[in-house]
Amino acid sequence: GNSVTQMEGPVTLSEEAFLTINCTYTATGYPSLFWYVQYPGEGLQLLLKATKADDKGSNKGFEATYRKETTSFHLEKGSVQVSDSAVYFCALSDRIGSSASKIIFGSGTRLSIRP
Amino acid sequence: DVKVTQSSRYLVKRTGEKVFLECVQDMDHENMFWYRQDPGLGLRLIYFSYDVKMKEKGDIPEGYSVSREKKERFSLILESASTNQTSMYLCASSPALEDNEQFFGPGTRLTVL
Repeated sequence: GNSVTQMEGPVTLSEEAFLTINCTYTATGYPSLFWYVQYPGEGLQLLLKATKADDKGSNKGFEATYRKETTSFHLEKGSVQVSDSAVYFCALSDRIGSSASKIIFGSGTRLSIRP
Repeated sequence: DVKVTQSSRYLVKRTGEKVFLECVQDMDHENMFWYRQDPGLGLRLIYFSYDVKMKEKGDIPEGYSVSREKKERFSLILESASTNQTSMYLCASSPALEDNEQFFGPGTRLTVL
């Protein structure tokens, strides 16, 4: 079945460092890909998404490109801030009927940014 | 502002108790979902519903049931709580469109003693 594998954390970086969180997927067909973020004490919220090959999703300085040839959707940010400390989940959509999709999540990567 | 609310942020119950977790969304979404979140396991789908009174099992339905009597409300029921059901429970909703994002509530941290 469809699945998502992302790098294990925790990841600790200094402020203004470059961030990469790796994510690869296994899927039949052409799912949409997502990055969700969970800030401390909150539910998940969508960070960015890409719906087809070579699409680039971007938001709040984060970017990820849908790479079909390598089945990857790595998350990057050029200069992280303390406020980016959170848990990041890579995910893909999985059709479950004519009008619904479920989302399959990776295990999450905890990111901590030192001032 | 779109919103998914859950009835409790923290809940402590005893083994064998019947537990109700409530979720309400105000976005008129057709689809609603219940997940549990455990360290190292990410989110796992328990049940989902794509219409009122409709429900489908997710990946880990054992020990749980659900109810959806109204479009905006989706309840998760633990018939007889056990300690291995101690977890963070997250509710989500999405519109009835392909590949749409899901909107999440803040979560309920349930402890079963």
